[in-house]
Amino acid sequence: GAVVSQHPSRVICKSGTSVKIECRSLDFQATTMFWYRQFPKQSLMLMATSNEGSKATYEQGVEKDKFLINHASLTLSTLTVTSAHPEDSSFYICSAKRALSGDSPLHFGNGTRLTVT
Amino acid sequence: DQQVKQNSPSLSVQEGRISILNCDYTNSMFDYFLWYKKYPAEGPTFLISISSIKDKNEDGRFTVFLNKSAKHLSLHIVPSQPGDSAVYFCAASVRGSNYKLTFGKGTLLTVNP
Repeated sequence: GAVVSQHPSRVICKSGTSVKIECRSLDFQATTMFWYRQFPKQSLMLMATSNEGSKATYEQGVEKDKFLINHASLTLSTLTVTSAHPEDSSFYICSAKRALSGDSPLHFGNGTRLTVT
Repeated sequence: DQQVKQNSPSLSVQEGRISILNCDYTNSMFDYFLWYKKYPAEGPTFLISISSIKDKNEDGRFTVFLNKSAKHLSLHIVPSQPGDSAVYFCAASVRGSNYKLTFGKGTLLTVNP
């Protein structure tokens, strides 16, 4: 089955630093990847849609300059949290859509737990 | 504004019995619905989906029912097994929206041996 790998699974950083999270589709090409954030006991909230070779589309209320997304290849998208603050601490999950797969469901990575101290 | 609602944060059932997880939605544009299962510290795993042109979809022990007039769907698991214990998320999308999913808050299912 399709596998989406997300790295790192857990990261702790100091306030003011930047953190990069990688999302890879291991056995398929993904023209579209999505980045979600989940706060405790809340639903997964879509942050942005990442399209290979073009700029990401951000959801309302998500700062594009703070959450930098790069989708440089058909198998890799990265999310960089810039100048992280404690309120950015959350669970970040990526998902990928297999290219030309019609209505097939999204495949999710295992998420990254970010803690900003 | 929560467009997808799972009003039961938790559900506990006995092994072998039926588990029924409910989901309501408010956006009438949604036409594709999915259920995901999630273990702690892992990403969601796809379980089953249903298109708005159907009212039922079955896959082994899992059946999803859709009532469009009530904007309600449910996931039935029968028989329930201890390994089914997880958080179940209902998600909805609009076809043609580049597969953007809107999730509910999830229901924690506990299946007791």
